[in-house]
Amino acid sequence: DQQVKQNSPSLSVQEGRISILNCDYTNSMFDYFLWYKKYPAEGPTFLISISSIKDKNEDGRFTVFLNKSAKHLSLHIVPSQPGDSAVYFCVESNFGNEKLTFGTGTRLTIIP
Amino acid sequence: EPEVTQTPSHQVTQMGQEVILRCVPISNHLYFYWYRQILGQKVEFLVSFYNNEISEKSEIFDDQFSVERPDGSNFTLKIRSTKLEDSAMYFCASNPGTGGSYEQYFGPGTRLTVT
Repeated sequence: DQQVKQNSPSLSVQEGRISILNCDYTNSMFDYFLWYKKYPAEGPTFLISISSIKDKNEDGRFTVFLNKSAKHLSLHIVPSQPGDSAVYFCVESNFGNEKLTFGTGTRLTIIP
Repeated sequence: EPEVTQTPSHQVTQMGQEVILRCVPISNHLYFYWYRQILGQKVEFLVSFYNNEISEKSEIFDDQFSVERPDGSNFTLKIRSTKLEDSAMYFCASNPGTGGSYEQYFGPGTRLTVT
């Protein structure tokens, strides 16, 4: 019954290289997708989002791509920095202000 | 920068006891939420609250749970009779409720340990 799936529990990337985190979803009715970042002992922090009517959104080093036909989205971080080491959650929302549905998360480790 | 705050950071309680987790959402936000994350599992939605009433709740949010906004700043989650399986991180979040904003802003969480 997993609606948002992150198949890679962990990922290690060299500093300065590109980090690519992937997410698949099952419900075509999802309206909006978000990526959250979480450090240990802290709450999730909003990173970037994309509406289902778009296929790309960019904010500085972070770009999210949405492939609706494949029901797949990805987060690209370039260049990767040591401070990017965290758990990244792919999150969906059906409608503004409604509940967020989290994926299982991918732990990203940036190697100096 | 405004932020969501939560107290206490860690709460230890015995099974069967009542606990109240407290949150101060961002001022002027209109939507409030509670989520939880059991160790090793994903973040799960519990309940959303708007205009002084519950707008949505999950299957987890049974009769043992309740929420309240007792004044203009606090938002609380009460668990009436805690069970071992209630042990988790509990996160409060808020949303502006204007401009079609989807982003929710999370507090640092309260670690609840039920023994």
